[in-house]
Amino acid sequence: GENVEQHPSTLSVQEGDSAVIKCTYSDSASNYFPWYKQELGKGPQLIIDIRSNVGEKKDQRIAVTLNKTAKHFSLHITETQPEDSAVYFCAASLEYKLSFGAGTTVTVRA
Amino acid sequence: DSGVTQTPKHLITATGQRVTLRCSPRSGDLSVYWYQQSLDQGLQFLIQYYNGEERAKGNILERFSAQQFPDLHSELNLSSLELGDSALYFCASSAAGVYSGNTIYFGEGSWLTVV
Repeated sequence: GENVEQHPSTLSVQEGDSAVIKCTYSDSASNYFPWYKQELGKGPQLIIDIRSNVGEKKDQRIAVTLNKTAKHFSLHITETQPEDSAVYFCAASLEYKLSFGAGTTVTVRA
Repeated sequence: DSGVTQTPKHLITATGQRVTLRCSPRSGDLSVYWYQQSLDQGLQFLIQYYNGEERAKGNILERFSAQQFPDLHSELNLSSLELGDSALYFCASSAAGVYSGNTIYFGEGSWLTVV
């Protein structure tokens, strides 16, 4: 099955700085890579996704890059704000399953 | 609000008991997924149903079972509960399968505490 590794497990950044979270996946057949944000007591919410035929995607302050050769993808958050504090999960889909990384707890310091 | 509804939100039960968690997917979604989230295991895929049929199975214990009904709602049954089953159980839904790159929407989860 698919194995997704996510780093770092925790990330503390100063408000206004950028945050970068990196994930690697094991199966080159994976073709869909979403990122989810989970706030305390809530379910994961999709914030951005990328498909295997695209190398980069951007949505306002959030961007995701995909390197299929190296089998890794990254989430970039620019101009971080206090409301960006949450747990972020990367995921990779293989056939009918979506496998998640272990999560990154992001804390934005005011 | 993702449109995925889960009940109950919180549940406390004793070891050895059986519970049923219920999920209503987003309107029009045919696929339902169940995930377990615990502090040390992250989000673990349990099982997926598509239009009433089991599509994929993950790390689901034999004590656990699920089904999707003709009206597309789903139930996750957990039996012979152990302390280690205490976790947050999420239901998610999508229009079709993940293979198609469909967005998966998560519910707010059901907190299960086994005492």
